[in-house]
Order: sequence, then C-alpha cells, then structure tokens
Amino acid sequence: DAGVIQSPRHEVTEMGQEVTLRCKPISGHDYLFWYRQTMMRGLELLIYFNNNVPIDDSGMPEDRFSAKMPNASFSTLKIQPSEPRDSAVYFCASSSRTGSMRNTEAFFGQGTRLTVV
Amino acid sequence: GDSVTQMEGPVTLSEEAFLTINCTYTATGYPSLFWYVQYPGEGLQLLLKATKADDKGSNKGFEATYRKETTSFHLEKGSVQVSDSAVYFCALTLGGSNYKLTFGKGTLLTVNP
Repeated sequence: DAGVIQSPRHEVTEMGQEVTLRCKPISGHDYLFWYRQTMMRGLELLIYFNNNVPIDDSGMPEDRFSAKMPNASFSTLKIQPSEPRDSAVYFCASSSRTGSMRNTEAFFGQGTRLTVV
Repeated sequence: GDSVTQMEGPVTLSEEAFLTINCTYTATGYPSLFWYVQYPGEGLQLLLKATKADDKGSNKGFEATYRKETTSFHLEKGSVQVSDSAVYFCALTLGGSNYKLTFGKGTLLTVNP
C-alpha cells in the first residue's frame, strides 16, 4: 500500500483565497483524522471521521474551516477565506479498528505545508 | 480534559549518549500510551506503545514503561545515533466509542557525531 497520500505537499496562497487540501487514506481504514502542526501550538486535532461520518469537529478553529469525506477513499479540508495565521503543516492520518481501539495505530501522510501571505 | 505533557526541547546529545524524554499524562479514564517519531520532512510514525500499567513498549532500541502510579511514559534509549535525530511525540488514547489521539507538543532531538 502507498500509505496515506496528501496533496499538495506545499501550497502558497494569498490572504483571502480559498485553499483545499486533499487526502487519500489507506485502503480499508475506517477512521480519518486531520491535524494541524505549528511551532506555537504543536499538533492539534481538527476533526476526525469514522466510516465517512464526522465524529468530532471540536478542534476546527472557526467557520472558515470545513472538512468533507464524500467516500471512503477521499477527504478534503477547505479554508475559505485563508488568513496568514492559518500557515501551518496540515496532516491527514488514517487507522483501522482492529480489535480494541486501545491498540490502534494511526498512519500519517507526509503533510501539506501551507503558507498564506 | 485529557492531556500530555512532554519535556521542553530541544535536546542535543552526542552519539552514543543516553537519552531520556519525559512524558506525563492526565486522563479521565485508563489510556493507552504511544510514542510517535517524526523525521525531517515526513509525517509521524509509531515508535512504540503500551496499553496497560507496567507494560513496556520497545522498538529500535527505544523503551518506555507505562507507570500508572506516576502517570508517566518516559522514553529512553541507551545509546543514540545520528539517525535518531527527529521530533518525538508522546500521545494517549482512551479508545472506547470516541477514539482520538491526544499528542504532547513534541521534543526535538538532535544527535551530533
């Protein structure tokens, strides 16, 4: 398996523009997570899905952020309009419930480095 | 709420030195504990885990023991290599019906030859 695939790897955009980040989870995984990583705040969970359904979006910073998972093999994180403080590395991760969730490992993509100028 | 606290970095060591990265946690239930590692330019990957008290997770020479009495899961390695230079994250999950991983802020380790 190719692992979790994110695109693009790097994105530079101007303030006010719409940004869409994409993620393809590992085939067969039923959980998908979006994280944001910054120097100041570390790794923050934004939202996660189970079987394509959003379970917890309490980490989404504000209404400018939205995430969708239209099918088991694709998810998007959209920021509209983007602001300089959104600059960060955004990671997607997926996992599969095998037995107890306590043993479940999350597999991460390589991330998208977003710069909003 | 649930949280993970790691020692502040960065940590700089010489090759073959002993490594300890401290991690303590606060949880409303009985968590599983993990260490993830992030090499430059890459995503996080699981290094080791422990799911119950007194369990020891180990991988690639790294070890961590789940200490319920001190709510700790410190990462250790007896002899670090330059290739161990990375960011290390401690994390927990409570499992159950609301699964999510809660991460510490990460500790940057640099190993010099």
